[in-house]
Amino acid sequence: DQQVKQNSPSLSVQEGRISILNCDYTNSMFDYFLWYKKYPAEGPTFLISISSIKDKNEDGRFTVFLNKSAKHLSLHIVPSQPGDSAVYFCAASEFQGAQKLVFGQGTRLTINP
Amino acid sequence: DTGVSQDPRHKITKRGQNVTFRCDPISEHNRLYWYRQTLGQGPEFLTYFQNEAQLEKSRLLSDRFSAERPKGSFSTLEIQRTEQGDSAMYLCASRRQGAWETQYFGPGTRLLVL
Repeated sequence: DQQVKQNSPSLSVQEGRISILNCDYTNSMFDYFLWYKKYPAEGPTFLISISSIKDKNEDGRFTVFLNKSAKHLSLHIVPSQPGDSAVYFCAASEFQGAQKLVFGQGTRLTINP
Repeated sequence: DTGVSQDPRHKITKRGQNVTFRCDPISEHNRLYWYRQTLGQGPEFLTYFQNEAQLEKSRLLSDRFSAERPKGSFSTLEIQRTEQGDSAMYLCASRRQGAWETQYFGPGTRLLVL
């Protein structure tokens, strides 16, 4: 049972354009959502997060949107840069208990010059 | 600002051997998590500590796996009688207690069981 899904295994975007990565979840108890960036042979690096009381959070070139009714979130990167090429993971946690992260399968983003 | 550190970064072992990994969390973080990531998948939760208490373990954590955090600081993850299916990246993360706190990950230990 995949509670967090990233349905696009890969995405290719031209440098300078907008990258949009999508994530869907099924567990209505999730109340905190995070995006991580991962390079090969390294641990995930935190990018941006959003709590369930918000529908948008912005940090520089990165914006995360949360649509609770659709159980959907997205990460927008504007403008995209070659250094953004990596695998991006969406993760979610519940408010109670361990607050462990449940991850999606990841989307490989490639920024073309 | 010292992040989460893990040691070793890489480990190659033969099937049947025991291995131990260490994680040093961010100093003021009282919550520590272990995850495992296999190729093409996102990280999967293994276990979680609040201070020195191990409060939750995943079904993924078989009897061959044991984790400790003896003084509420660093943690160790031991795998006994390793199997080829244990080959994966083992990730440690830490965070502060409280709502909507971010987990920060270490660089991981890549294990290869031959």
